[in-house]
Amino acid sequence: DAKTTQPTSMDCAEGRAANLPCNHSTISGNEYVYWYRQIHSQGPQYIIHGLKNNETNEMASLIITEDRKSSTLILPHATLRDTAVYYCIVRPYNNAGNMLTFGGGTRLMVKP
Amino acid sequence: NAGVTQTPKFQVLKTGQSMTLQCAQDMNHNSMYWYRQDPGMGLRLIYYSASEGTTDKGEVPNGYNVSRLNKREFSLRLESAAPSQTSVYFCASSEPSGYNEQFFGPGTRLTVL
Repeated sequence: DAKTTQPTSMDCAEGRAANLPCNHSTISGNEYVYWYRQIHSQGPQYIIHGLKNNETNEMASLIITEDRKSSTLILPHATLRDTAVYYCIVRPYNNAGNMLTFGGGTRLMVKP
Repeated sequence: NAGVTQTPKFQVLKTGQSMTLQCAQDMNHNSMYWYRQDPGMGLRLIYYSASEGTTDKGEVPNGYNVSRLNKREFSLRLESAAPSQTSVYFCASSEPSGYNEQFFGPGTRLTVL
């Protein structure tokens, strides 16, 4: 799987948008971008995924650049409950076993 | 609908002791996974089972064995625990291909003295 690079930590004010960047400059044409998050002491939770078009669901939006070498996860109105480690992962659509490779992630701290 | 459940939640072992971590899912998923997470690190895959009756090694399989008992259950065994195996262990399940998300259990916190 392609490697990703994320900032180690970020802060965001409560109620403001949180924009979490991810670089994946070696992404292949058949690889999707996935985002998971891990709230303290819990198992990771799926957020969103995309290939090349922007995606939005009830949790977040995912903006992928045209060259697909980077992406941004947007939490439109961050709350204190969004404080977590956010993992950006790239993997092929049909890799055997649907395995995920986690990097270090970005620790997002939402402050009042 | 409990999702993915793991037992026990906490465990303390002495070096050389053995134990089995249990995982069960009620979502009728074909694939199941075992990960470990060391402090301040991301998760690393130990073993996975793409479907009932099959198991494969992940990134860090040494010191572990697994059993896919049936479609619902996937256990992880430490035959002779070592302090380096002190970690939080997460089980997950999903459908085996496509964009299907993985659902994770609450984790087992294991300390080996």
